[in-house]
Amino acid sequence: TQLLEQSPQFLSIQEGENLTVYCNSSSVFSSLQWYRQEPGEGPVLLVTVVTGGEVKKLKRLTFQFGDARKDSSLHITAAQPGDTGLYLCAGGSSGSARQLTFGSGTQLTVLP
Amino acid sequence: SQTIHQWPATLVQPVGSPLSLECTVEGTSNPNLYWYRQAAGRGLQLLFYSVGIGQISSEVPQNLSASRPQDRQFILSSKKLLLSDSGFYLCAWSVGILTGWSNYGYTFGSGTRLTVV
Repeated sequence: TQLLEQSPQFLSIQEGENLTVYCNSSSVFSSLQWYRQEPGEGPVLLVTVVTGGEVKKLKRLTFQFGDARKDSSLHITAAQPGDTGLYLCAGGSSGSARQLTFGSGTQLTVLP
Repeated sequence: SQTIHQWPATLVQPVGSPLSLECTVEGTSNPNLYWYRQAAGRGLQLLFYSVGIGQISSEVPQNLSASRPQDRQFILSSKKLLLSDSGFYLCAWSVGILTGWSNYGYTFGSGTRLTVV
């Protein structure tokens, strides 16, 4: 069974601060995705990384896939209250159904 | 464009009552379909997935079942609900044809909040 562990579980910071969220596994994944979820809504895809060592930037968000494709990180620069939400990483493996294994989530609160 | 509809948004059901949650996708063909359950503020647990009409795979043994009567329709059911069935249920779809991982991702519905009392 593939497991993804996210840390920290909860994070509360002031507007303008930087933060990093981690996603770790002992399994190798074909791809690693990050989603953000608002209360009462479904998760929304932010990014997909597929190559070991790959770095993708989405405005103030920087995503990195580990060299061995077992871990990933999400870094947010100058956090804003609009960044508040539950951040989920998800790992994908080969197979026709393309099932994703989701991490336990990081609840981020950015205070104004 | 593709859209996914999930209903109802909220549901309060007594223990022992039946359940039927429906999910439909528009604007695509042969999607992979998924049912997930989420505990409050936590990660998602895969319940069922389907790669085609009538093809259902179960990840977690429980008193829930799923069916796919049409290409873009996915239904989650139970004959008798338990208190432990309470949670946030999410339906999702992804492209069904073989493609690279680079642009792969799930699109989720807005979820159903189920409370069993």
